Amino acid sequence: DSGVTQTPKHLITATGQRVTLRCSPRSGDLSVYWYQQSLDQGLQFLIQYYNGEERAKGNILERFSAQQFPDLHSELNLSSLELGDSALYFCASSVAVSGGSGDGELFFGEGSRLTVL
Amino acid sequence: QKEVEQDPGPLSVPEGAIVSLNCTYSNSAFQYFMWYRQYSRKGPELLMYTYSSGNKEDGRFTAQVDKSSKYISLFIRDSQPSDSATYLCAMSARSSASKIIFGSGTRLSIRP
Repeated sequence: DSGVTQTPKHLITATGQRVTLRCSPRSGDLSVYWYQQSLDQGLQFLIQYYNGEERAKGNILERFSAQQFPDLHSELNLSSLELGDSALYFCASSVAVSGGSGDGELFFGEGSRLTVL
Repeated sequence: QKEVEQDPGPLSVPEGAIVSLNCTYSNSAFQYFMWYRQYSRKGPELLMYTYSSGNKEDGRFTAQVDKSSKYISLFIRDSQPSDSATYLCAMSARSSASKIIFGSGTRLSIRP
């Protein structure tokens, strides 16, 4: 158990709808990262928050947005959903602002599997 | 062409065999190299981390980096059925998780 909690584990919805994915980081971790994992694209970085502030942006679509709340949990909002948005969405956390390479390990949650029909 | 290439497998070997997993990359600026293990229905977990070139050993696992060939490897000795998972290589030029590029993963199955 990595200590990172993601809900819901599974979500099935229709095209055009909006969903919210939730992530609680490990206790003490200030950085939260969101990733999308699909069969053809692999694990893609979407966005990072550190202590409530947006820190880095990756290949995140304009239809997607995220935020980190004062209690450090984070939400990823996906709107106007398309079939191609079906994927696993992972949240990861680290204690450091730049964690994951030389500055601390990334801890991943178990993911939210989104299916858009 | 992707920055990081990884054979998707699947790779199936008998228990006890030595497993070799590989990735090639095109960006010569990469200097942080990682291997993540992802069990089915779980998130990735960091297995090995190497900075720059050379080898790193941790128990049955050895990570090798050859920057001149832009090639990294993960060796698993005395493979066990519990090693069955997808292995993702990952690398970055800077010490920042937001800059990590992941390979697409190799599915490994160890037959008892």
